Amino acid sequence: KNEVEQSPQNLTAQEGEFITINCSYSVGISALHWLQQHPGGGIVSLFMLSSGKKKHGRLIATINIQEKHSSLHITASHPRDSAVYICAVMEYGNKLVFGAGTILRVKS
Amino acid sequence: DAGVTQSPTHLIKTRGQQVTLRCSPKSGHDTVSWYQQALGQGPQFIFQYYEEEERQRGNFPDRFSGHQFPNYSSELNVNALLLGDSALYLCASSPTPLRTDTQYFGPGTRLTVL
Repeated sequence: KNEVEQSPQNLTAQEGEFITINCSYSVGISALHWLQQHPGGGIVSLFMLSSGKKKHGRLIATINIQEKHSSLHITASHPRDSAVYICAVMEYGNKLVFGAGTILRVKS
Repeated sequence: DAGVTQSPTHLIKTRGQQVTLRCSPKSGHDTVSWYQQALGQGPQFIFQYYEEEERQRGNFPDRFSGHQFPNYSSELNVNALLLGDSALYLCASSPTPLRTDTQYFGPGTRLTVL
């Protein structure tokens, strides 16, 4: 079993829909990252969470430390949101363990 | 302020050859981590360098080695390349290995082994 599990693996949505991507992990962590990766490989850090909830524009990330679960929400989705979204947990020592990613496609 | 830079962008090698990939961290960062991302998978941690020493290592064979220079830039070396080494190699930098800070990623080097 992977230390970090994401669901769904693939997600297709219509423009404007509310999107949720889930992440569960099994190890002790100091923080959790949500990352966005576009075709070509570049990775951008969206959020780093150690508790509670963070919001940036149309993106919202939540984490429940007790349940070892995090969600990334996208409100009013747009085709430019199409990308791979990766959950990564930071083990103590600043080592990241990544989920396999969720491939999101938003259709206009 | 330049972010994390990596070179080269793309590289094609043949089995058995050796390759060196380079990474310059974001200004003010002294810790560099290397990751391998196979097609369709999430990145896997290779190792982390701080103060010119390897601090942590993932589950990668000794064919994978690295170095960090006094200016904090880093190299990843892979010897005796295998077809399975074809992947996107990502470098990430952070201010220190001791704090939970955002890691900044470079654009990656795509290595193809034929």
